[in-house]
Amino acid sequence: QVQLVESGGGLVKPGGSLRLSCAASGFTFRDYYMSWIRQAPGKGLEWVAYISSASIYSDYADSVKGRFTISRDDAQNSLYLQMNSLRAEDTALYYCARENWSSFDFWGQGALVTVSS
Amino acid sequence: DVVMTQSPLSLPVTLGQPASISCRSSQSLVHSDGNTYLNWFQQRPGQSPRRLIYKVSNRDSGVPDRFSGSGSDTDFTLKISRVEAEDVGVYYCMEGTHWPRYTFGQGTKLEIK
Repeated sequence: QVQLVESGGGLVKPGGSLRLSCAASGFTFRDYYMSWIRQAPGKGLEWVAYISSASIYSDYADSVKGRFTISRDDAQNSLYLQMNSLRAEDTALYYCARENWSSFDFWGQGALVTVSS
Repeated sequence: DVVMTQSPLSLPVTLGQPASISCRSSQSLVHSDGNTYLNWFQQRPGQSPRRLIYKVSNRDSGVPDRFSGSGSDTDFTLKISRVEAEDVGVYYCMEGTHWPRYTFGQGTKLEIK
């Protein structure tokens, strides 16, 4: 069965960096576009970034553009999100999700990122 | 940018009664390929979101048939024919027509009266 498991979350100071990972299994990872989506505490969902199969294309929400970088390692069935220059407003639960039909058919359990001094 | 507006934001429902959530987009969601990429997600308390409906009215595998989606262009609806206790949670619409810049609605919190 499809599984997405995020890791790498934690507490970081404003201006700091963090790298999230998402381990995928149960499907042919290299064939799928993948995204990161976040949810601030008690708030709604916000799409953050996507990457195409073979890492040909990627795009970011304006709120993270220039600070976050999405990448993937198809040999390791893994998705990553490098987050730099973190701000308090980046505090959220970060989900990785598989894209299907211009939507997200499977989600991980999330990794919590807290940006605080 | 597309804005997705859900109503109501809070929905108290009696068990066994129907429920309906509206989602309106600021732009047409009809894609140049002819499809309309409007989705509905359910997020139960403490859980990750789960997709219920894609392309307006297509139910995902395992989704009970009491859930149905309808609508067109800018106006969409999620209906639950008879609410059960396990339906408690927050429901989000999301448009994928303007991929990859996905936009979610604010969410509708369904609770049992």
